[in-house]
Order: sequence, then structure tokens, then C-alpha cells
Amino acid sequence: GAGVSQSPSNKVTEKGKDVELRCDPISGHTALYWYRQSLGQGLEFLIYFQGNSAPDKSGLPSDRFSAERTGGSVSTLTIQRTQQEDSAVYLCASSPRESGSQGYTFGSGTRLTVV
Amino acid sequence: GDSVTQMEGPVTLSEEAFLTINCTYTATGYPSLFWYVQYPGEGLQLLLKATKADDKGSNKGFEATYRKETTSFHLEKGSVQVSDSAVYFCALSDPGGSYIPTFGRGTSLIVHP
Repeated sequence: GAGVSQSPSNKVTEKGKDVELRCDPISGHTALYWYRQSLGQGLEFLIYFQGNSAPDKSGLPSDRFSAERTGGSVSTLTIQRTQQEDSAVYLCASSPRESGSQGYTFGSGTRLTVV
Repeated sequence: GDSVTQMEGPVTLSEEAFLTINCTYTATGYPSLFWYVQYPGEGLQLLLKATKADDKGSNKGFEATYRKETTSFHLEKGSVQVSDSAVYFCALSDPGGSYIPTFGRGTSLIVHP
């Protein structure tokens, strides 16, 4: 596609429910990143994919968070048993290669609200 | 590890004022440097970049020069507009270290008419 697409754009869920957030990167981009941005805060790194593998999962805040990427393309971030502190904007970015020298293209994000 | 430090905001200016947002970095290798801009309710957009020392990135009247000797990449604009109001993030990508891009905490810019 022309850009990085994230869905849904907004998600309101009840505490304790599971949610899935989707990221569709630019076609051909091998590197994909998930970040979390809480209100008024900077970017918190969550996980990075090179192709379908995740060399670095160190940013995932707890074992309730998981992510996968299939076919070197679409990625899904799953949050199980959501908590109120999970409320944030979840941003996905992709780049042509892991060196990132050409920069990163971000999606518009998914705003998650846990009530 | 790699890190990016940028000045805390908010930065509040009148229209047509001169803008500087400071950014310094530490990196293991020889990083590429970026400025991203985030308008309200949107994702981050690449504003400009520089990949080697003394390179100047520029876009939409914004400029930043890669200063290896001072490990800095300060963002400047000669005359800001109300439409420049946004959050600006300094970032680096360090092939010599981790492949995870490192972002600063962001600086909010508010421009008044």
C-alpha cells in the first residue's frame, strides 16, 4: 500500500478483555516496529520484526502482550486481559531494511481505551 | 546504549519567530539522525534526516545539521507559522548498535498568531 495502515483507528474495550491491533506495513518493507505512546509521553518501544522473526521482544511490558508477523507483511499485536494502564496510542512503523537509514514510516496509530 | 535527549517543552512562540529545538545523542556506531513531527491526532511523519557528519537535512523551512563533534542535531526554522504547532521528535538509527530506532521524548511547539 501507499502507507502504513493500522486498524482499528480507535478501540474501546472493557477491562479484562483481549484485543488485537493490526498493522499493514508498506509493501516490501522488511523491518516493522511497534511503539506505545501514552498521553503526553514519548514513544515506548515494544517489539521489532525483521521479516517474520522478532529479534528483540525486550520492550513488551508483560506476558499479556504478544505479537506476530506473517508472510513478512501484516503484524498483529495482541493484549490479553487488558488493564486500564494499557490505554494508549499504539503506533506501528516500517522501514525498507533494518538499518533504518532511510527513516521509518509510521501509521496513524490505534487509540486503545480500556474502561 | 543509544540515547537521544531533546529539550523539554512546551516551546511557545509567536508567529514569525525563530525556532530552535535542541537535540543531542549518544550512539555506539555511526548513526543516521532524524526529526519527526506529530500533528494532533496523527502518527509521526519524517520531517528531515541526515546520514553523515556535516550533512544538513531540510524540509518545509526546517533545517538540522549533523554535528558529530558535539553529537548534536538541533532543529531550526527561521520563521514559524501557526500550522507548525505540533510535537517534534529527534531520533537516531544506529547500525553499529541496536537496530531499534531510538526516539527522544518529544518537544511540543505552540505557535500563537
